[in-house]
Amino acid sequence: DAKTTQPNSMESNEEEPVHLPCNHSTISGTDYIHWYRQLPSQGPEYVIHGLTSNVNNRMASLAIAEDRKSSTLILHRATLRDAAVYYCILTGYSSASKIIFGSGTRLSIRP
Amino acid sequence: DTEVTQTPKHLVMGMTNKKSLKCEQHMGHRAMYWYKQKAKKPPELMFVYSYEKLSINESVPSRFSPECPNSSLLNLHLHALQPEDSALYLCASSQVEGATGITRGTEAFFGQGTRLTVV
Repeated sequence: DAKTTQPNSMESNEEEPVHLPCNHSTISGTDYIHWYRQLPSQGPEYVIHGLTSNVNNRMASLAIAEDRKSSTLILHRATLRDAAVYYCILTGYSSASKIIFGSGTRLSIRP
Repeated sequence: DTEVTQTPKHLVMGMTNKKSLKCEQHMGHRAMYWYKQKAKKPPELMFVYSYEKLSINESVPSRFSPECPNSSLLNLHLHALQPEDSALYLCASSQVEGATGITRGTEAFFGQGTRLTVV
């Protein structure tokens, strides 16, 4: 299974942008990059996913490096509700149907 | 309806009990998952069902027995559990690629989990 590496924790100020990095140097050409987050006492929640091009949705943006060995989740204007553990996950033929969670990044937001 | 519903929300069971966890989705997803999550740790994959057939078992002890009676339901039967099995059990579902039956490039939906305590 292709692995991802994320910082253990990050802190940001409310109403400022947040850039959460993820390294996935062993990604295969058919792997998608997904981001999920888990708020306290809740199940994981889908945030965004992409293959090669940058992606935007109502929650966030996903910037994918040209060589696809890294990606960055961008929260444009953090709120206190965005405090969560963020997981970067790869899915593809090499992982069959496994959705494997790494240790993730615990994001704290300062008011 | 984009919900995955898990019941019960909380369960306390003795080590000699038999109990079942239930998971339901009505999104037409053909892949369903069970995860175990201990406090302050990421979810750990236990089982994957694809088209109602068990496709992945991550070497889970036999005291955990999954069942997928139809495309909307997923059960996890519990028997002779140990206190260290106490955890949050999460269910998830997703679409699959028609030809391969693989989950790839699609959003997975998670339930809120069942908090299990084994005494």
